[in-house]
Amino acid sequence: AQSVAQPEDQVNVAEGNPLTVKCTYSVSGNPYLFWYVQYPNRGLQFLLKYITGDNLVKGSYGFEAEFNKSQTSFHLKKPSALVSDSALYFCAVSHEREYGNKLVFGAGTILRVKS
Amino acid sequence: KAGVTQTPRYLIKTRGQQVTLSCSPISGHRSVSWYQQTPGQGLQFLFEYFSETQRNKGNFPGRFSGRQFSNSRSEMNVSTLELGDSALYLCASSLTYNEQFFGPGTRLTVL
Repeated sequence: AQSVAQPEDQVNVAEGNPLTVKCTYSVSGNPYLFWYVQYPNRGLQFLLKYITGDNLVKGSYGFEAEFNKSQTSFHLKKPSALVSDSALYFCAVSHEREYGNKLVFGAGTILRVKS
Repeated sequence: KAGVTQTPRYLIKTRGQQVTLSCSPISGHRSVSWYQQTPGQGLQFLFEYFSETQRNKGNFPGRFSGRQFSNSRSEMNVSTLELGDSALYLCASSLTYNEQFFGPGTRLTVL
């Protein structure tokens, strides 16, 4: 069965500094990996995905993530954090043998960006 | 293009009652998935419908059911509500495998 771990409940970073939100996964077969963001009282917003191809994936709002197969990781990064990036971030996984759409989510990481 | 819409946005029920939640996917999307979000269990997959057929199912009791109509709109039903069913229920629609677009959710409170 697939699983996702987000080892940090919360990440604090100063505005303008780079940020990293960590994600590791376990899946049989080739993974499909996603990052979503959730603002208070809102649904999930898609940030980026890795299906195949280049290990560095660029997404919305200046975010990017690097797929590392040997470390089974898919960390979310941004070169310069904004206060408005403060939100709850979820990593999710599926895999190529999964028929249809069924995402397994990590527990989420709260990102706090201080000015 | 309009996004995924969910109705109602907020709902208060008492134990033992049943509830029906509605989801209208993005136009053209034929896959609709449902997720439950709680502080304790996080985001958990309930089920997915595609072309009016349930294609995937998570590990929830039979009290949780759903259906999809010919226009791809979906409903989710929970019978005999329990306090632990209090959650944010999220609907997501998809055109292709695995890229899902989420609605704002329905906040269900069971008293």
